[in-house]
Amino acid sequence: GEDVEQSLFLSVREGDSSVINCTYTDSSSTYLYWYKQEPGAGLQLLTYIFSNMDMKQDQRLTVLLNKKDKHLSLRIADTQTGDSAIYFCAELSGTYKYIFGTGTRLKVLA
Amino acid sequence: EPEVTQTPSHQVTQMGQEVILRCVPISNHLYFYWYRQILGQKVEFLVSFYNNEISEKSEIFDDQFSVERPDGSNFTLKIRSTKLEDSAMYFCASSDVGGRIDQPQHFGDGTRLSIL
Repeated sequence: GEDVEQSLFLSVREGDSSVINCTYTDSSSTYLYWYKQEPGAGLQLLTYIFSNMDMKQDQRLTVLLNKKDKHLSLRIADTQTGDSAIYFCAELSGTYKYIFGTGTRLKVLA
Repeated sequence: EPEVTQTPSHQVTQMGQEVILRCVPISNHLYFYWYRQILGQKVEFLVSFYNNEISEKSEIFDDQFSVERPDGSNFTLKIRSTKLEDSAMYFCASSDVGGRIDQPQHFGDGTRLSIL
């Protein structure tokens, strides 16, 4: 079945890089996304990658995709306290449905 | 930047009562979605809606749920007879064209539904 897994917690020091990992099982997934959820708020789209790409960089964010291992990662360079949030990866299943991961709670220590 | 808005932000309802959650999608979007997130759990897909009909629904979306686009701007989720296990955060989303990466789903801030 479709499943997306993430580690639950990550703690980093301000200024360091954060790497949030995600594994997915649906090999037919073509689109993969990263969303950010701040406390009490909705899901904010951060970035996305198409399955024929290995890497995408967008300012401080770098997405790496390893299709062979079905592994997706999000690297945040120079992590700031404002980056503290829950980060969800999601895959597009079929035409309409997103399958979300469990979410990784990132805590940035000053 | 245009955004998806949801009302109310928090809804408290007695078990067995009907509840309607409201959403105003981004104005030029054509596809609409509802997801839910039970506290501490994953965000789960409920339903997608296009051209005034359901295009896909999950096994969670049973007969007690319905969706409607009553006018040109609102998109609603109705739960007919609420149960305790319906307590969750409900997110509305919209996108311009289903399934295109350059048209991802944009989410509202959610409605927290508490069933007593």
